Amino acid sequence: DAGVIQSPRHEVTEMGQEVTLRCKPISGHDYLFWYRQTMMRGLELLIYFNNNVPIDDSGMPEDRFSAKMPNASFSTLKIQPSEPRDSAGYFCASSTGGRREKLFFGSGTQLSVL
Amino acid sequence: RKEVEQDPGPFNVPEGATVAFNCTYSNSASQSFFWYRQDCRKEPKLLMSVYSSGNEDGRFTAQLNRASQYISLLIRDSKLSDSATYLCVVNPGRDFNKFYFGSGTKLNVKP
Repeated sequence: DAGVIQSPRHEVTEMGQEVTLRCKPISGHDYLFWYRQTMMRGLELLIYFNNNVPIDDSGMPEDRFSAKMPNASFSTLKIQPSEPRDSAGYFCASSTGGRREKLFFGSGTQLSVL
Repeated sequence: RKEVEQDPGPFNVPEGATVAFNCTYSNSASQSFFWYRQDCRKEPKLLMSVYSSGNEDGRFTAQLNRASQYISLLIRDSKLSDSATYLCVVNPGRDFNKFYFGSGTKLNVKP
């Protein structure tokens, strides 16, 4: 079975540019999560979806960040405009949901904003 | 106070050594617990779930102490390939889909 698929693996952009990260969850997983990882703050949950509906976006740092899930097999995380402090690893994960269900992560996008 | 706290390490151990990590959590109502392993710039991967009675998977043993609110991971006969960062993950139960990650404990296994 294919795991969670993310693209691109690496993104280098200049400050002010729009960045779009993409994720395809594992088929049959109803929950999709976006995490950001930095040395200072570790892994932080940005937002998660259930059945394509955003449930909790309290971790989204500011209005420059937005996420969508137009269907069960695709999600995007967009940063517009990007800033150097957005440089981090961005991971998508999916799960079947529930108390003991595990998270399965994609390979992540390493974002550098110059 | 953070939901999950870990000693960042690094733990530097020789091959064949036994090493243990602890992780404390703040919410006594937490429902489920996991250890994930993360290699540098790679995604976290599930190592093992942690059950109330403790559980073992090969060289790895996980324990849960609800009274003191910590979980532990014991690695026996360390291999070079065990070098990684180990993340403690807690589901506090208020929302079964919010997982809280510790900042990770770095392990270096040396020849």
